[in-house]
Amino acid sequence: NAGVTQTPKFQVLKTGQSMTLQCAQDMNHNSMYWYRQDPGMGLRLIYYSASEGTTDKGEVPNGYNVSRLNKREFSLRLESAAPSQTSVYFCASRGLGQGWTEAFFGQGTRLTVV
Amino acid sequence: SQKIEQNSEALNIQEGKTATLTCNYTNYSPAYLQWYRQDPGRGPVFLLLIRENEKEKRKERLKVTFDTTLKQSLFHITASQPADSATYLCALDENTGNQFYFGTGTSLTVIP
Repeated sequence: NAGVTQTPKFQVLKTGQSMTLQCAQDMNHNSMYWYRQDPGMGLRLIYYSASEGTTDKGEVPNGYNVSRLNKREFSLRLESAAPSQTSVYFCASRGLGQGWTEAFFGQGTRLTVV
Repeated sequence: SQKIEQNSEALNIQEGKTATLTCNYTNYSPAYLQWYRQDPGRGPVFLLLIRENEKEKRKERLKVTFDTTLKQSLFHITASQPADSATYLCALDENTGNQFYFGTGTSLTVIP
């Protein structure tokens, strides 16, 4: 099982450029999440998707858009990258058993905006 | 405002001792609390989940307690080993939706 796969692993963007971070999971999970991680800040929730066709804002959604393409895939788009978006981005997924279950995370995308 | 705070400084302990990490929260009503481990350059990996009606959960050398009155969870690693060195994150799930929120993390170093 691949689990949660993120692409790319590394990316350097110039200010104002756009890009899409891709995430796919093969565990048949309904819920998917995008977090960013900055030094001393922990993981902060950007957007999440409770199920295919739905998305909701998290703590820090400004400057980002998401698409839940199907049950497997959840992408994060930066329309006009800014240096403040330099961060490590993690995608996660989880299912609903008897109550919420553990989340599985991808390896992360390290993004630098210059 | 809502906050999830973990040990503000890195924790260094001697091999064989028990490491105790804290997670305190403000203005949340968590239904679940989870603990994750994160190694440098990797994504978090799930360790334990405890529900609001559970006081304690154990898994091998790991133990988690959850006190909703104190608004605190404690995470213990007994007989610690250098391989336990990592950053440990707590995360809260509220009843209102399926999003979950992380604390700032605690860096643990186990010294041989």
